Amino acid sequence: GESVGLHLPTLSVQEGDNSIINCAYSNSASDYFIWYKQESGKGPQFIIDIRSNMDKRQGKRVTVLLNKTVKHLSLQIAATQPGDSAVYFCAEKSGAQKLVFGQGTRLTINP
Amino acid sequence: GAVVSQHPSRVICKSGTSVKIECRSLDFQATTMFWYRQFPKQSLMLMATSNEGSKATYEQGVEKDKFLINHASLTLSTLTVTSAHPEDSSFYICSARGQAGYGYTFGSGTRLTVV
Repeated sequence: GESVGLHLPTLSVQEGDNSIINCAYSNSASDYFIWYKQESGKGPQFIIDIRSNMDKRQGKRVTVLLNKTVKHLSLQIAATQPGDSAVYFCAEKSGAQKLVFGQGTRLTINP
Repeated sequence: GAVVSQHPSRVICKSGTSVKIECRSLDFQATTMFWYRQFPKQSLMLMATSNEGSKATYEQGVEKDKFLINHASLTLSTLTVTSAHPEDSSFYICSARGQAGYGYTFGSGTRLTVV
């Protein structure tokens, strides 16, 4: 249902620095996780995914870490660029099919 | 790669009218489609899941008679917002998943404004 009065957490980083975005997920039985980037007025864009049998996965300039013990997911972006400015969501596959999204974090880049 | 086309991108309708949003998988067969709603500065909230040829499964609190979902083919799902009211104004996003693998492909979203 609709949530009232929520504001997205914001992370501000200097251009060129590394960014770390965190996410707590809810279902200990979730077996697949995805990070998405969403720019204003657009649909979510896939960044990187990880299965529950892994604790780390690397892509181009991005790394996802999974800590199942504390149900925590993080996205690391290396050498953050202006084009990385967006809202970032983690999502967990809950049950057979459903993809449930976390709260989201707005990443802003300072020149 | 997998592509999902969602139309229209923006729609303005009068209160009390119905609006249909289409979601098409262009290069794969979408056995399952998902519809989300996103209010400003909030996350995506799953509304319903539909499997081709079956009735949609709605999330708790989502009125199935108001948000009609049709998934009659493996490449097309539609969401119809019936008797729309200003509080239905939101960003609606579809997602499609094929048979193989875990991939979820999202549409570009539809901005619905009810006046």
